[in-house]
Amino acid sequence: TQLLEQSPQFLSIQEGENLTVYCNSSSVFSSLQWYRQEPGEGPVLLVTVVTGGEVKKLKRLTFQFGDARKDSSLHITAAQPGDTGLYLCAGVTQGGSEKLVFGKGTKLTVNP
Amino acid sequence: NAGVTQTPKFQVLKTGQSMTLQCAQDMNHEYMSWYRQDPGMGLRLIHYSVGAGITDQGEVPNGYNVSRSTTEDFPLRLLSAAPSQTSVYFCAARPGDVRELFFGEGSRLTVL
Repeated sequence: TQLLEQSPQFLSIQEGENLTVYCNSSSVFSSLQWYRQEPGEGPVLLVTVVTGGEVKKLKRLTFQFGDARKDSSLHITAAQPGDTGLYLCAGVTQGGSEKLVFGKGTKLTVNP
Repeated sequence: NAGVTQTPKFQVLKTGQSMTLQCAQDMNHEYMSWYRQDPGMGLRLIHYSVGAGITDQGEVPNGYNVSRSTTEDFPLRLLSAAPSQTSVYFCAARPGDVRELFFGEGSRLTVL
């Protein structure tokens, strides 16, 4: 069974602080996705990382895929209340029967 | 631009009742899937379909049936609801050659 462990599970910070959330596995993934889910809504894709070591930036959000394609991180600079939500990582497994494996998520609260 | 539409958004059932959660997409995507989301458990795949007439089981299929008679629709049926099926259900769709999912807004089901 391929598992994605996300940490921390909960994070509450003040507006303007920086934060990093992590997504780790013992398995190798062909690509990894990050989604953000706001209360009462479905997850929305933020980014997909494909290449080991890849770094992608989306405004104040920086995503990194580990060199071995087993882990990823999301760093948010100068967090804002609008960043509040559940952040989910999802890995695409390798092999003939590709599947999408979700982590349990990091619930982020940014207080004004 | 509707994307993925789920109905109903909220439903309360008594144990043993049956119901169907509807999912429709207007993006002409081949792949559709159903997930359930429970606190501390993340998103778990119930059933999925790679095209009209083709369905397969996911991680937690017991107690649920699906069919895919058209590209647009992918209903999820609960034949005899149980309290353990209390959850938030998400339908998702994606093109066949892309792994990123487009989610509906969710259906919150309570089984008493």
